[in-house]
Amino acid sequence: GESVGLHLPTLSVQEGDNSIINCAYSNSASDYFIWYKQESGKGPQFIIDIRSNMDKRQGQRVTVLLNKTVKHLSLQIAATQPGDSAVYFCAENIYNQGGKLIFGQGTELSVKP
Amino acid sequence: DAGVIQSPRHEVTEMGQEVTLRCKPISGHDYLFWYRQTMMRGLELLIYFNNNVPIDDSGMPEDRFSAKMPNASFSTLKIQPSEPRDSAVYFCASSNQNLGYTFGSGTRLTVV
Repeated sequence: GESVGLHLPTLSVQEGDNSIINCAYSNSASDYFIWYKQESGKGPQFIIDIRSNMDKRQGQRVTVLLNKTVKHLSLQIAATQPGDSAVYFCAENIYNQGGKLIFGQGTELSVKP
Repeated sequence: DAGVIQSPRHEVTEMGQEVTLRCKPISGHDYLFWYRQTMMRGLELLIYFNNNVPIDDSGMPEDRFSAKMPNASFSTLKIQPSEPRDSAVYFCASSNQNLGYTFGSGTRLTVV
C-alpha cells in the first residue's frame, strides 16, 4: 500500500551545523516528492521538490536527495539557523491517482543557538 | 497573489452545531485539496477537486462531512452536526496541474 514515513520524529542540532532529515516511501509508482516546512500556527510551506527522474536537487541552503532503489529521500539543510526550527514533512505524489499528496508523519527540527 | 485564503482562522462551536469552513484557491490553479491535521493522525487528505469536480472523497470521515466547489474561486467544507473529535486544524491547498501545491494558513476548529 501507500505510505510515507519519517525515520526520526525529532532532531536537535547546533546552530551552524548541517541537518539531515530522512523519509522513506513505499510506492515505487510515485514520481514526485515535496518537502514542506511547517512553523507553529502556520500552514505547510513549500521548500523544495524533486521528480523521480532526478536523484539530487539543490536550492538555497537545501538539498534533496532521492534514492529510488531503496525508496528513500532526504532533506539536507546547510548551516542550520534558528529560523529553520519547524516540523518538516515529506510528501509523495502519486501521479496516476490524480496528484494527491500523501504526507509523512513529520520531523521536528530544533536548532540550538 | 495573496495565496490560498481560508476563513475563519479560528472557530469554536458547540457539539451538534453546523460548521462551514471556506477556501479561496490561487487564481488559475485547477486542483483544490482539503486536509485535516491532528497530533494523532498528522495531515490527512479529506477530499480533492479538479476543475471544480470532486475526484476523490475517500478521506472524508463520515457523512457528517461534505465539501463543495461551486466555482473555480471558492470551496466550502461543512460539518453537520459537529462533534468534539472533529477538533483539528483544517487546511485547504491548491495546485496547478499537480505541481506547486500551496497551502492556506488553516482553520483551527474546536468543538466543545
